[in-house]
Amino acid sequence: DAGVTQSPTHLIKTRGQQVTLRCSPKSGHDTVSWYQQALGQGPQFIFQYYEEEERQRGNFPDRFSGHQFPNYSSELNVNALLLGDSALYLCASSSTGAPGNTIYFGEGSWLTVV
Amino acid sequence: AQSVTQLDSQVPVFEEAPVELRCNYSSSVSVYLFWYVQYPNQGLQLLLKYLSGSTLVESINGFEAEFNKSQTSFHLRKPSVHISDTAEYFCAVSDGGSYIPTFGRGTSLIVHP
Repeated sequence: DAGVTQSPTHLIKTRGQQVTLRCSPKSGHDTVSWYQQALGQGPQFIFQYYEEEERQRGNFPDRFSGHQFPNYSSELNVNALLLGDSALYLCASSSTGAPGNTIYFGEGSWLTVV
Repeated sequence: AQSVTQLDSQVPVFEEAPVELRCNYSSSVSVYLFWYVQYPNQGLQLLLKYLSGSTLVESINGFEAEFNKSQTSFHLRKPSVHISDTAEYFCAVSDGGSYIPTFGRGTSLIVHP
């Protein structure tokens, strides 16, 4: 049973560019959440997708957008990159209705903005 | 709104010694509580969780945590640590409505030989 998979694992972008990160949820999961983890910090919630719609959003600017596809996979897009966007971006999947709705994380995508 | 406080940013300990990583939370509703572990350059892995029932929960690798509602705490303990337990540990809380966990800043457990 494949867990949550993310791509790419590492990437370097220049300030002002745009980036797209991809995520495939764990088998049987229909909900995908994205988190940003800055160095030395805990994960911060960006947004959650369910049934191809953004269900909840954290305190992140509109430069951060996402999409969920019919197969439940998801993308995170960040426009007009800033140096402060450098972080580990984590995708997490869960199954709506499961007790506690426990989330499972992928290995993450390391983004460096120079 | 809910929040999580991990009182120690770093906990150094010798191998085979006991350890406790502290976690306090604030929430106005009933909660689900989690501990996640993050090994270097990896994502987060679920260590254990409290959803309901017995307030003492255990993981398969010897960790345990106790939900204390009156003290709003969910401290993580292990009676004897190994070098391989060296990692970052995150406490998280979610309420029954949003299912969006809020994470603490993490505690770095450093096990010395």
